[in-house]
Amino acid sequence: QVQLRESGPGLVKPSETLSLTCTVSGYSISNGYYWGWIRQPPGKGLEWIVSIYHGGSTFYNPSLKSRLSISVDTSKNQFTLILSSVTAADTAVYFCAKTLTGPFDVWGQGTIVTVSS
Amino acid sequence: EIVMTQSPATLSVSPGERATLSCRASQSVSSNLAWYQQKPGQAPRLLIYGAYTRATGIPDRFSGSGSGTEFALTISSLQSEDFAVYYCQQYNNWPPLTFGGGTKVEIK
Repeated sequence: QVQLRESGPGLVKPSETLSLTCTVSGYSISNGYYWGWIRQPPGKGLEWIVSIYHGGSTFYNPSLKSRLSISVDTSKNQFTLILSSVTAADTAVYFCAKTLTGPFDVWGQGTIVTVSS
Repeated sequence: EIVMTQSPATLSVSPGERATLSCRASQSVSSNLAWYQQKPGQAPRLLIYGAYTRATGIPDRFSGSGSGTEFALTISSLQSEDFAVYYCQQYNNWPPLTFGGGTKVEIK
């Protein structure tokens, strides 16, 4: 079955750039679906960040768009989130997930990112 | 942006009882509404999509209803493993995809 796993630094300094990678197993991302990122600040709710289609169409949360980019590496079956100019407000658990039309049916376990000097 | 509002924030229920959670959209989302369950330290799990269709492997004690702007998730007889936080999410008009603030179902 499809499995997702996030990886990246657990600690990032303010104003620096965060890079997180989601590795997909059990399915080739070049075959379809949207692949997305969602985050959850400590003790708070879920916030959608971005979704990318295997063909390259990308949809961003407008509130984060100016600091975001995302890419897909089909050879490694991975997709990568890049968030620039991070602040303490970006401290969260970051999840990657799969969707066909909007609801996310497969999620990674999440990775904790702390922004602190 | 469509704002999703869930109520109540916390619901205290005894095991075996029925629980009904509400989700309201700031404008119509048709039936493009999903529900998730999240337990501490875990990723959310998709329960319902299309407002009322159970995801694969979800027990039939979970049911969804509603359309337009008013939705409900009902758990017919709460089991110990159902105590968790529940989120709704709209996917009718995006970006952005938006989630409700969550309802915590706790043991009474």
